[in-house]
Amino acid sequence: DTGVSQDPRHKITKRGQNVTFRCDPISEHNRLYWYRQTLGQGPEFLTYFQNEAQLEKSRLLSDRFSAERPKGSFSTLEIQRTEQGDSAMYLCASSRGQGNTGELFFGEGSRLTVL
Amino acid sequence: GESVGLHLPTLSVQEGDNSIINCAYSNSASDYFIWYKQESGKGPQFIIDIRSNMDKRQGQRVTVLLNKTVKHLSLQIAATQPGDSAVYFCAEPHSGGSNYKLTFGKGTLLTVNP
Repeated sequence: DTGVSQDPRHKITKRGQNVTFRCDPISEHNRLYWYRQTLGQGPEFLTYFQNEAQLEKSRLLSDRFSAERPKGSFSTLEIQRTEQGDSAMYLCASSRGQGNTGELFFGEGSRLTVL
Repeated sequence: GESVGLHLPTLSVQEGDNSIINCAYSNSASDYFIWYKQESGKGPQFIIDIRSNMDKRQGQRVTVLLNKTVKHLSLQIAATQPGDSAVYFCAEPHSGGSNYKLTFGKGTLLTVNP
């Protein structure tokens, strides 16, 4: 499978714990995005990487959230001191560097449940 | 401000019928729209996009129509199949942002009855 892969697919944690999600984009894609989706809603933009550079962050991304893409390939999204409001599906997407298109290739998501 | 919304939250059709999913937007300066399909338990999948210099764009069994006068777009699916059952989102770029930073509508759940 050469699509975007995310790990873990499901994570249940207790409030206050830290969690980390990993995303492996399509190999030739140098743009990588994180979105968050809550039940019954569309995805919401969190952050964007061009290669290893984090070029944009949404104000939804509080200081408890940190995303990295150290070598311009895989990315991690860490949430510190999780809160129940962090429960959501965290979606990673990637796209090619050329052009200005809205065609993003999404992974199947990492579902977080905070108890 | 910009917003993307759906007229109907659910749509149920018979297999073989045509489906029409509607979407309204509020920003008259919006010039690019995208439709995504999200099957249960999966991430969104790009279907088709349209720029404001076009009124209509066709893909495989799908057609998107854009009416800039009333700020409305629709996704038409011909000969709907059970595999088309999913949530459909219209999306547009954040105002002033590049096309990767998308604002998604709430979505329409399409159910195809055999």
